[in-house]
Amino acid sequence: GENVEQHPSTLSVQEGDSAVIKCTYSDSASNYFPWYKQELGKGPQLIIDIRSNVGEKKDQRIAVTLNKTAKHFSLHITETQPEDSAVYFCAASRGNQFYFGTGTSLTVIP
Amino acid sequence: SAVISQKPSRDICQRGTSLTIQCQVDSQVTMMFWYRQQPGQSLTLIATANQGSEATYESGFVIDKFPISRPNLTFSTLTVSNMSPEDSSIYLCSVYDPEQYFGPGTRLTVT
Repeated sequence: GENVEQHPSTLSVQEGDSAVIKCTYSDSASNYFPWYKQELGKGPQLIIDIRSNVGEKKDQRIAVTLNKTAKHFSLHITETQPEDSAVYFCAASRGNQFYFGTGTSLTVIP
Repeated sequence: SAVISQKPSRDICQRGTSLTIQCQVDSQVTMMFWYRQQPGQSLTLIATANQGSEATYESGFVIDKFPISRPNLTFSTLTVSNMSPEDSSIYLCSVYDPEQYFGPGTRLTVT
């Protein structure tokens, strides 16, 4: 089955700096890669996603890149703000089967 | 995107009792899932709730412990039966529509 690894497990950045979270996957058949943000006491919220026919996708301050050859994808958050502090999960998917990373706890220091 | 609500949002239950969690979606969806998230951990799929048929359980989860109902395309329930402290977790409902969206979760504490 699919195996998704996520790094780092914790990340602290100064407000205004960039944050990068990386994930690798093992199954070359995976073709959809969403990222979720989970704030304390809430369910995971889909913030951005990318499909395997695209190398990069951007939405305001967040972007995701995908390297199919190397089987890794990354989340980039620029100009971080305190409200970006949360746990972020990556996932790799094939159809309706989703495999989640172990999460990254991001803290943005004001 | 689908809007998902869950009831209750949290509960504290005694060992040996059962709790039924409800999940309501604002639109008809074919696929609904139930996940467990233990404190500080990732998401573990419990089962896929199938409308009109029995749920499909993942390895390590059984119907006697986690019975699931799916009476229609907008509603599902998960029961956590004969609870023990190890069942203390967040239980999340999600839908595949075709992206995956999650409900707010039910925070269960078993004493």
